[in-house]
Amino acid sequence: RKEVEQDPGPFNVPEGATVAFNCTYSNSASQSFFWYRQDCRKEPKLLMSVYSSGNEDGRFTAQLNRASQYISLLIRDSKLSDSATYLCVVKDFQKLVFGTGTRLLVSP
Amino acid sequence: EAGVAQSPRYKIIEKRQSVAFWCNPISGHATLYWYQQILGQGPKLLIQFQNNGVVDDSQLPKDRFSAERLKGVDSTLKIQPAKLEDSAVYLCAAAGTSGGANNEQFFGPGTRLTVL
Repeated sequence: RKEVEQDPGPFNVPEGATVAFNCTYSNSASQSFFWYRQDCRKEPKLLMSVYSSGNEDGRFTAQLNRASQYISLLIRDSKLSDSATYLCVVKDFQKLVFGTGTRLLVSP
Repeated sequence: EAGVAQSPRYKIIEKRQSVAFWCNPISGHATLYWYQQILGQGPKLLIQFQNNGVVDDSQLPKDRFSAERLKGVDSTLKIQPAKLEDSAVYLCAAAGTSGGANNEQFFGPGTRLTVL
């Protein structure tokens, strides 16, 4: 079983749509959780941290369920500029473990 | 932040040749990471340095890969000899202190290696 599992997609959605990505992780002792964004042929960049209480940053909402070892990212009112790969990331001790990423394509 | 510099940006070599990548992290960022990202996959950690010491190299294929960070600043990653399956983007990242829970990792643009 992979340490961090994501649906690779792609998710094709129209502008304005709401889209949700899911992620599961295998190590129950994992300490911290993140979503990174990676544009085509670019480096990953931190989108947001994920907390058990849930957190929101504008159109983006992240949730963590430690009991189910499940992480989610919700994007509301999708923009063309949201097209990218979204990487679910888990921190085990000092090491980041990345999922394979979910590709999002937002079309006009 | 000033960013993480990497060179070269692209490299094409034949199998069994050697190659080296260079990384210059953000000034003052003590922790440096090298990742391998194969097409269609997420980055995989190869090695982590804290200043000039190795913290984790458990996923580094030590029969052909080596890395050093002699003065705790710049780092080089070498592959000798390269195999076809080493074709990937090699990403360098830096973090502030011990890479603790809230220390963001900043990635360089990566070196895209193609092994023919």
